[in-house]
Amino acid sequence: DAGVTQSPTHLIKTRGQQVTLRCSPKSGHDTVSWYQQALGQGPQFIFQYYEEEERQRGNFPDRFSGHQFPNYSSELNVNALLLGDSALYLCASSRTSRYEQYFGPGTRLTVT
Amino acid sequence: AQKVTQAQTEISVVEKEDVTLDCVYETRDTTYYLFWYKQPPSGELVFLIRRNSFDEQNEISGRYSWNFQKSTSSFNFTITASQVVDSAVYFCALSEVGGSQGNLIFGKGTKLSVKP
Repeated sequence: DAGVTQSPTHLIKTRGQQVTLRCSPKSGHDTVSWYQQALGQGPQFIFQYYEEEERQRGNFPDRFSGHQFPNYSSELNVNALLLGDSALYLCASSRTSRYEQYFGPGTRLTVT
Repeated sequence: AQKVTQAQTEISVVEKEDVTLDCVYETRDTTYYLFWYKQPPSGELVFLIRRNSFDEQNEISGRYSWNFQKSTSSFNFTITASQVVDSAVYFCALSEVGGSQGNLIFGKGTKLSVKP
């Protein structure tokens, strides 16, 4: 049973560029959440997708956007990258009726 | 406002010692869930336990045990007879119920180092 997978593992971008991160949920899961984890901090909720729609959103600017596909996989897009966007981006999946979220290994984004 | 506080930034113990990680939360909701996650150096958050606000029974799973006290808004985690493999950052998290599943609100984590 494959867990949550994310790609790429690492990414280096320049300020002002755009980036797309990808996530495939655990088998049987239909809800995908994205988190940003700065160094030495706990993860911060970005948004959650269910049935291809954004269901909840945290306190992140519109530069952060996402998408969920019919197969439940998801993308996180960040436009106009800032140095402060450098972080570990974690994807988590869950079942609609359950509250525990299972996390992927994350994508380490470095903005120079 | 919801908030999770993990006052212990770092803890260092010697193998076989018992260690307790503290977690204090704030929420206005009467119905909520509490979680503990483990983040080893590889970076992937590993789910350890979920507890709902109606169930104040303590739970034990092998060397792990959890003490939920609603009166003090605490959900502490104890590792008995610690092992080197327990070295990781441990996060406590809160999720409120209602509407959707709710997002997870994490504390800043406690880094546990277990030395041989």
